[in-house]
Amino acid sequence: AQSVTQLGSHVSVSEGALVLLRCNYSSSVPPYLFWYVQYPNQGLQLLLKYTTGATLVKGINGFEAEFKKSETSFHLTKPSAHMSDAAEYFCAVSEGSSYKLIFGSGTRLLVRP
Amino acid sequence: DAGVTQSPTHLIKTRGQQVTLRCSPKSGHDTVSWYQQALGQGPQFIFQYYEEEERQRGNFPDRFSGHQFPNYSSELNVNALLLGDSALYLCASSSGGLAGVEQFFGPGTRLTVL
Repeated sequence: AQSVTQLGSHVSVSEGALVLLRCNYSSSVPPYLFWYVQYPNQGLQLLLKYTTGATLVKGINGFEAEFKKSETSFHLTKPSAHMSDAAEYFCAVSEGSSYKLIFGSGTRLLVRP
Repeated sequence: DAGVTQSPTHLIKTRGQQVTLRCSPKSGHDTVSWYQQALGQGPQFIFQYYEEEERQRGNFPDRFSGHQFPNYSSELNVNALLLGDSALYLCASSSGGLAGVEQFFGPGTRLTVL
């Protein structure tokens, strides 16, 4: 069965520091992988997605993620954190002919001035 | 171009009541999915509608039902409300019948069951 694990319910970084949010998945077939961001009292906004092809995926707001099949990981990074990056981040997976997204429990990113 | 819209924004009900939530998909989208997001958790898939039929369903009881109209808008109905149904209900729309396509989310309806 598909599942998503996000290590660290809270991550705190200083403004300008590297952001690394971890996501590991389990899937019996090649997955589709997504990162969404949720700001307070809002819905989810897609940051980036991996379907096929290049394993390093660039998204909006300077975020990128690398699909590593051998490690079943899809970690999200950003070289330099900005105060506006403070939000909840969700990793999600879907596979094969399934239309549903399976989400991790989320990581709250805190950015210190 | 309007994105996904949901109504109402907030709703308070008591146990045993019934509720209907509404969703209008992004322009050009024909597929609507519903998710339940409990406090502090990730969204959980309820079901997806395509061509006015339920195409896939998650692990939710039959108290949760839905409908899709010819204009692609959708309703989520929950009967016999329980305290545990309190959550943010998110609607997501997408285009076409393919798996793996991006789903665009609305702002959600916050349901509180007392």
